[in-house]
Amino acid sequence: LAKTTQPISMDSYEGQEVNITCSHNNIATNDYITWYQQFPSQGPRFIIQGYKTKVTNEVASLFIPADRKSSTLSLPRVSLSDTAVYYCLVTLPSGGYNKLIFGAGTRLAVHP
Amino acid sequence: GAVVSQHPSRVICKSGTSVKIECRSLDFQATTMFWYRQFPKKSLMLMATSNEGSKATYEQGVEKDKFLINHASLTLSTLTVTSAHPEDSSFYICSARMVASSSYEQYFGPGTRLTVT
Repeated sequence: LAKTTQPISMDSYEGQEVNITCSHNNIATNDYITWYQQFPSQGPRFIIQGYKTKVTNEVASLFIPADRKSSTLSLPRVSLSDTAVYYCLVTLPSGGYNKLIFGAGTRLAVHP
Repeated sequence: GAVVSQHPSRVICKSGTSVKIECRSLDFQATTMFWYRQFPKKSLMLMATSNEGSKATYEQGVEKDKFLINHASLTLSTLTVTSAHPEDSSFYICSARMVASSSYEQYFGPGTRLTVT
């Protein structure tokens, strides 16, 4: 499983756009990039998944360059409730049968 | 949406006793469930993969006789912490994937906080 590297922590203010970049230099051809969000004392919540270029949903955007060795999660106009830990994972598309190995994650703190 | 529940949400037990944690997929069937543990300010650590009708697969360093896993139906997996000790105090989280689904998504439970005194 490809190892991922993210910043340990980030700070932002309400209303700003937050971009969290994840490195996955050893990503395999069939791997997808998935991001999860976790609030304290709760289970992780799926945010977004992508393979290449750009993916957007109602919560976030995911940008993946052509070499796929990194990806950037973009959260538009964050609010205090976006304060959480964000995990970047690399997994095969049938992710359920393959184990999800969580890295350290990025602890995002949104300030008023 | 797919919902996974865990019971209990919190449990306090005495050292030497055993504790059972349930993980249920409420509105879907799951052939595979996963169990994680998480220490404060740390990431999730995969403990084992629970397969319906067969033995669980444990990650390296996880004692199978200490953490008993039973996946008896397509909607229920249980984790039993046997002879619990204070160092077993942790946040235990399960996840599940739908049967025969093309979805890549795993659905996580809300977690169970175990405190061993």
